[in-house]
Amino acid sequence: GESVGLHLPTLSVQEGDNSIINCAYSNSASDYFIWYKQESGKGPQFIIDIRSNMDKRQGQRVTVLLNKTVKHLSLQIAATQPGDSAVYFCAENSNTGNQFYFGTGTSLTVIP
Amino acid sequence: EAQVTQNPRYLITVTGKKLTVTCSQNMNHEYMSWYRQDPGLGLRQIYYSMNVEVTDKGDVPEGYKVSRKEKRNFPLILESPSPNQTSLYFCASSLSWSANSPLHFGNGTRLTVT
Repeated sequence: GESVGLHLPTLSVQEGDNSIINCAYSNSASDYFIWYKQESGKGPQFIIDIRSNMDKRQGQRVTVLLNKTVKHLSLQIAATQPGDSAVYFCAENSNTGNQFYFGTGTSLTVIP
Repeated sequence: EAQVTQNPRYLITVTGKKLTVTCSQNMNHEYMSWYRQDPGLGLRQIYYSMNVEVTDKGDVPEGYKVSRKEKRNFPLILESPSPNQTSLYFCASSLSWSANSPLHFGNGTRLTVT
């Protein structure tokens, strides 16, 4: 089966610093990737996505980088705020499959 | 407001008592899916539906049933719940599978089976 993992289960950053959350995937056929944010008591919330024909995509304060050579995905959050404290996880799928595969998540804590 | 709505949010039941968790989306999405989330295991897919009247097993379908009679609704049925089905359940939908569109999640149903 496929595996999608995260390099660190927890991450603490100072408010105002940049955060980087990493994700590794194993399926070389994966062609669509998403980052989700999950706050306590809520469902996962879409942050940003990227297709395999791109290596970088930017949103508001967030950037996703995709390195297909080493099957690595990262989420960068600029000027991290207390409201960014949550669990972040990546998801991937491929057109050859019918489901998304999710990482187990990284818990981000922002220290005021 | 575009959303995925699950009910109930919390449910405590006893072993063997049939239950249904409802899921409804108002975005005219074709694809719908159920997941369970357990500590250390992440989100695991139970069942999914590519469109009306089309359902398929995910990675952990044992003990669950689903139906997709209408586009907007995708209920999850536990015919005879067992304690190992105690978990946090999420329903999700996306525009269509082929469009590479993101999943939109409900706020979850926390189920406890005693």
